[in-house]
Amino acid sequence: RKEVEQDPGPFNVPEGATVAFNCTYSNSASQSFFWYRQDCRKEPKLLMSVYSSGNEDGRFTAQLNRASQYISLLIRDSKLSDSATYLCVVNSRGGGTYKYIFGTGTRLKVLA
Amino acid sequence: SQTIHQWPATLVQPVGSPLSLECTVEGTSNPNLYWYRQAAGRGLQLLFYSVGIGQISSEVPQNLSASRPQDRQFILSSKKLLLSDSGFYLCAWIIKGLSGELFFGEGSRLTVL
Repeated sequence: RKEVEQDPGPFNVPEGATVAFNCTYSNSASQSFFWYRQDCRKEPKLLMSVYSSGNEDGRFTAQLNRASQYISLLIRDSKLSDSATYLCVVNSRGGGTYKYIFGTGTRLKVLA
Repeated sequence: SQTIHQWPATLVQPVGSPLSLECTVEGTSNPNLYWYRQAAGRGLQLLFYSVGIGQISSEVPQNLSASRPQDRQFILSSKKLLLSDSGFYLCAWIIKGLSGELFFGEGSRLTVL
């Protein structure tokens, strides 16, 4: 079983739609969680951290369910500029540092 | 402010040739450093990480090696490239002891022919 699993998509949605991505992780000792955004042929960039209480940043809402080892990202009112790959990232302590394990990413295409 | 530089940005190498990719972090000291590889259409695979000068941990046995000769310099090498080494190589850093945002360089795109 992969350490971090995501549906690869693609998710093709019209502008203005709401879309949700899910991610599961296998290491119950994982300590912190993130969503990164990666544009085509570019480096990943942090979209938002994910907290146990859930958190929101504008049109983006992230949720964490530690019991089910599950993370989600909700995007409301999708824009064309939201088209990208969204990477779920799980962080656990090991070897004297934090190891960031990435999912394979979910591709989103927002259509005009 | 902190910045991270990687070079070269793009390279095309024949099978069996050597490789050296460099990564330098500025504006911070004693960072934790990481090398990731992203094969075409795949996710990011953690290759190596380093918590200090000369300290390298390998996550996946393979045809590559890493070195950290200076505090803010991280080098990825190979003596003989394989076709399967093609990919997008990303260097990243984080402030030691923290578990927040991982900062990436712009990446080095390697094609092995």
